[in-house]
Amino acid sequence: AQSVTQLDSQVPVFEEAPVELRCNYSSSVSVYLFWYVQYPNQGLQLLLKYLSGSTLVKGINGFEAEFNKSQTSFHLRKPSVHISDTAEYFCAVSQVGGNEKLTFGTGTRLTIIP
Amino acid sequence: GAVVSQHPSRVICKSGTSVKIECRSLDFQATTMFWYRQFPKQSLMLMATSNEGSKATYEQGVEKDKFLINHASLTLSTLTVTSAHPEDSSFYICSAKDRTEETQYFGPGTRLLVL
Repeated sequence: AQSVTQLDSQVPVFEEAPVELRCNYSSSVSVYLFWYVQYPNQGLQLLLKYLSGSTLVKGINGFEAEFNKSQTSFHLRKPSVHISDTAEYFCAVSQVGGNEKLTFGTGTRLTIIP
Repeated sequence: GAVVSQHPSRVICKSGTSVKIECRSLDFQATTMFWYRQFPKQSLMLMATSNEGSKATYEQGVEKDKFLINHASLTLSTLTVTSAHPEDSSFYICSAKDRTEETQYFGPGTRLLVL
């Protein structure tokens, strides 16, 4: 079984400032890692994913994340945020060669302050 | 690519009626589809996993007779909430997994309100 921890439930950031949303996971086997964004009253949109290869992954909307196996982390970063980045962000993992299920973190609410 | 649609986006129904929600993968074939429920300001709770042509696998605590899932083709899965009650009011989201990718793509969600 695996678990995902998003320690920060809410992160307020001024517009054009950098942001990092933290994600740590626990698993006894190798995992795939994902970040999804959810805008109000909408489904989830895939931001980026790590399946294999380079540990630095670039996604849509200027976001990137780095897989750190030793620290079991997959933090999401953006160098300069915009008002439109206000949303809920979910980190998720699935087992490599497993049952395809995603295990989600509890989410981080990113609020951009003008 | 990788677009998933859901219909309807919102539905209001009377207590005791049944409601069907459709989930379609528009530009890929989905061997596996997933149904989630999301309560306000919370994360997603997996309800069941459906594979095309076979019975759905329900998570512990989810009533399979109340939440009927059918995955009749590689592009369509349906969730029917039978004899809906106010406590079934929620945001239901489906996802579909492309057979060639290790990635789930999500639909826009269906807001169900049972009066």
